[in-house]
Amino acid sequence: KAGVTQTPRYLIKTRGQQVTLSCSPISGHRSVSWYQQTPGQGLQFLFEYFSETQRNKGNFPGRFSGRQFSNSRSEMNVSTLELGDSALYLCASSFYATNEKLFFGSGTQLSVL
Amino acid sequence: DQQVKQNSPSLSVQEGRISILNCDYTNSMFDYFLWYKKYPAEGPTFLISISSIKDKNEDGRFTVFLNKSAKHLSLHIVPSQPGDSAVYFCAASRNNAGNMLTFGGGTRLMVKP
Repeated sequence: KAGVTQTPRYLIKTRGQQVTLSCSPISGHRSVSWYQQTPGQGLQFLFEYFSETQRNKGNFPGRFSGRQFSNSRSEMNVSTLELGDSALYLCASSFYATNEKLFFGSGTQLSVL
Repeated sequence: DQQVKQNSPSLSVQEGRISILNCDYTNSMFDYFLWYKKYPAEGPTFLISISSIKDKNEDGRFTVFLNKSAKHLSLHIVPSQPGDSAVYFCAASRNNAGNMLTFGGGTRLMVKP
């Protein structure tokens, strides 16, 4: 069974630009979550989708948004990039939507210059 | 505020000995706890979890202990192996919060041969 796939693996953008990251969950998994990892703040929850509906949202500005498609694939978008958005963005999937162990992808390393 | 804390940024143990990683939490609403292991350039990998109705859960070399009154959990690895060298994160969730995990800052474990 293929794991969680995130594309692209690395991304370099400049301030003010926008970026879209993609995540394909494990086949059959309907819950997709996104996390941001930075050296200073650690791993922080961004949002969670289940069956195309956003179920939870973390404490991030509205520049961060996401969506989930009918095939459970998910995208997250960051608009008007800031230097502080440089981070590893991790996607995780699970079958159910509560108290489940999450399977993480390898992440997208975003650098904002 | 940090609701989940791992106060030891690093830990070094000899191969074959016990590794004990600690985690404290402040939010009494947390009722499910997980440990993840992370290697560089990879996403976190699930290790073991425990529900708040239990005080111990064991899986092979890994045992997690939960002390609800102290709001403290620990991960014991016995015996430690060089391949266990990684960053370990504890995480917590609430029953009505889907798969939204709150992570600790991580502890880097180094197992010396």
